[in-house]
Amino acid sequence: EVQLVESGGGLVQPGGSLRLSCAASGFTFSSYNMNWVRQAPGKGLEWISYINSGSSTIYYADSVKGRFTISRDHAKNSLYLQMNSLRADDTAVYYCARDAGLGHDNGDYYDYWGQGTLVTVSS
Amino acid sequence: DIVMTQSPDSLAVSVGERATINCKSSQSVLYSSNNKNYLAWYQQKPGQPPKLLISWASTRASGAPDRFSGSGSGTDFTLTISSLQAEDVAVYYCQHYYGTPQAITFGQGTRLEIK
Repeated sequence: EVQLVESGGGLVQPGGSLRLSCAASGFTFSSYNMNWVRQAPGKGLEWISYINSGSSTIYYADSVKGRFTISRDHAKNSLYLQMNSLRADDTAVYYCARDAGLGHDNGDYYDYWGQGTLVTVSS
Repeated sequence: DIVMTQSPDSLAVSVGERATINCKSSQSVLYSSNNKNYLAWYQQKPGQPPKLLISWASTRASGAPDRFSGSGSGTDFTLTISSLQAEDVAVYYCQHYYGTPQAITFGQGTRLEIK
């Protein structure tokens, strides 16, 4: 069974940092491209970052570019999101989501999502 | 960026009745080389993550009930629930995946409730 389990969320002050983790199991993690998608309270879904299976292609949404860093560790079957210079409008539930497998750094739909981890940026 | 616009923002339908949600993209998401529409639908129940329902505009995901169907092409798409069940109460999102991963956008969501 495919499982994605996020952790690392919490309350942080504006300007602070957090590192989110997504532990993957039930599939060959190293073969799949992965994403982070966030959802502000009561709002819709916003894609924020992508990393391909080999970590050779990385994309960020303009809203987080220069502040967030995506990475992955195949030995630990884990995806990460380092978030720096956090702002109030970064408050959201952060989901990791797996590309369905179209590959080649093309857009893809997401066939599995984690349960999410809540990040609250407030003083 | 391709803008995805859903209508209505919310609707209430009686159990057993048909529910229809529309999604319009600001440009075509039909890729001419393979004649596929790069359009997905997700269901998000309260307190849960989104769940894939439909890909390629009309292909039901594994485990999705057959009362859910997707249709449309180019810029106009529809998600239909043929006979609404109480467990279908959720917010539904369309998403295009045409182009690069950073081009992906979602509709604003449609909240479906029981009348």
